Amino acid sequence: QAALPQPASVSGSPGQSITISCAGTSSDVGGYNYVSWYQQHPGKAPKLMIYEVNNRPSGVSNRFSGSKSGNTASLTISGLQAEDEADYFCSSYTSNSSVYVFGTGTKVTVL
Amino acid sequence: EVQLVESVGGLVKPGGSLRLSCAASGFSFSTYTMNWVRQAPGKGLEWVASISSATSYIYYADSVKGRFTISRNNRQNSLYLQMNSLRAEDTATYYCATEAAYSSYIDYWGQGTLVTVSS
Repeated sequence: QAALPQPASVSGSPGQSITISCAGTSSDVGGYNYVSWYQQHPGKAPKLMIYEVNNRPSGVSNRFSGSKSGNTASLTISGLQAEDEADYFCSSYTSNSSVYVFGTGTKVTVL
Repeated sequence: EVQLVESVGGLVKPGGSLRLSCAASGFSFSTYTMNWVRQAPGKGLEWVASISSATSYIYYADSVKGRFTISRNNRQNSLYLQMNSLRAEDTATYYCATEAAYSSYIDYWGQGTLVTVSS
């Protein structure tokens, strides 16, 4: 299954808000509330930031929020900080041949 | 604290085989579905395989079906990935990862191990 399209890069100044989109179909993002988002710093393992569309794991800043509309999921980072500079991947459970599908990834740059 | 530690990968020739292992601790391994996810250098994440707690359900990505085998030993808290007929496109960092209980998302990840397929 093809990866879910995400913008290749998004940038913002410290304190600003940015939003990353994740485009799916009714077989994945639109069909289930099992959308998750991961942050990955260079050379590190992915870290869960959002699960089940809009839930934050314990310890994740409330500056991170998730939402979904139709077949598109979104991750918003508010009050952008230098430490938020990383790659972000969405993921969804899918009814297609694979169990999980990931997004293409978005590089967030803090200007 | 959940800990997932993958075995060292390595360099393998095309057509060769390699077995990865993942040692789990800090949670009740035998009750969790486990996954392997990989990431080619500079690329995105790709789900590879999944195995349910009692091995009742096993799934593979089309890209590895028939070549890779996922297995587990609940008494030894270990997850495995047997990789056969390796290709250059299998070159990636392989992550062992847990699936959240009573849900369908991946929550905890190991540190990853690099597998390079090259002659």
